[in-house]
Amino acid sequence: DAGVIQSPRHEVTEMGQEVTLRCKPISGHNSLFWYRQTMMRGLELLIYFNNNVPIDDSGMPEDRFSAKMPNASFSTLKIQPSEPRDSAVYFCASSDGDEQFFGPGTRLTVL
Amino acid sequence: GEDVEQSLFLSVREGDSSVINCTYTDSSSTYLYWYKQEPGAGLQLLTYIFSNMDMKQDQRLTVLLNKKDKHLSLRIADTQTGDSAIYFCAESRSNDYKLSFGAGTTVTVRA
Repeated sequence: DAGVIQSPRHEVTEMGQEVTLRCKPISGHNSLFWYRQTMMRGLELLIYFNNNVPIDDSGMPEDRFSAKMPNASFSTLKIQPSEPRDSAVYFCASSDGDEQFFGPGTRLTVL
Repeated sequence: GEDVEQSLFLSVREGDSSVINCTYTDSSSTYLYWYKQEPGAGLQLLTYIFSNMDMKQDQRLTVLLNKKDKHLSLRIADTQTGDSAIYFCAESRSNDYKLSFGAGTTVTVRA
């Protein structure tokens, strides 16, 4: 298995633009998580899905952030419009109930 | 996160033992984890311990849990340069997939 796949690995965009981050979880895993990592706030859980259904989105910062999981093999995290303070590394992780496996992350820079 | 605390930095000489400490506040924590993050990479699960255990050993890694004091430690024997990374402590409850992470301890191994 290739593990959790995220794309793009790096994204540089200008303030106000829409950003879409993508994640392919490990096949057979029924839980998917989106995290954000910054120097100031560390690792924060944004949202998690179980069986494609959002269970807890209390970590989503504001309405500019949205996440979808249309099927068991794909999820997106969208920021619209993006702001410089959204600059961070965004991780996707998937789980079969025990261990969470993390993807390599997307480094987002909003200028 | 606020519920899990770690010291931020640790410097250790190659060949010595490293001890990384973590405290947590949630008495209902059932699983406690140690993750490793190398530069530019995602988090990798190193080891975990159930709350009904007080010690777990896996090759060079020893995890000690003091449930009464809510204190968790990770000991790395014979620390190598490849052990330089950020180490995250995390906890979860048995009925919840959510992980609460500490801020991470940056371990630097010097020759």
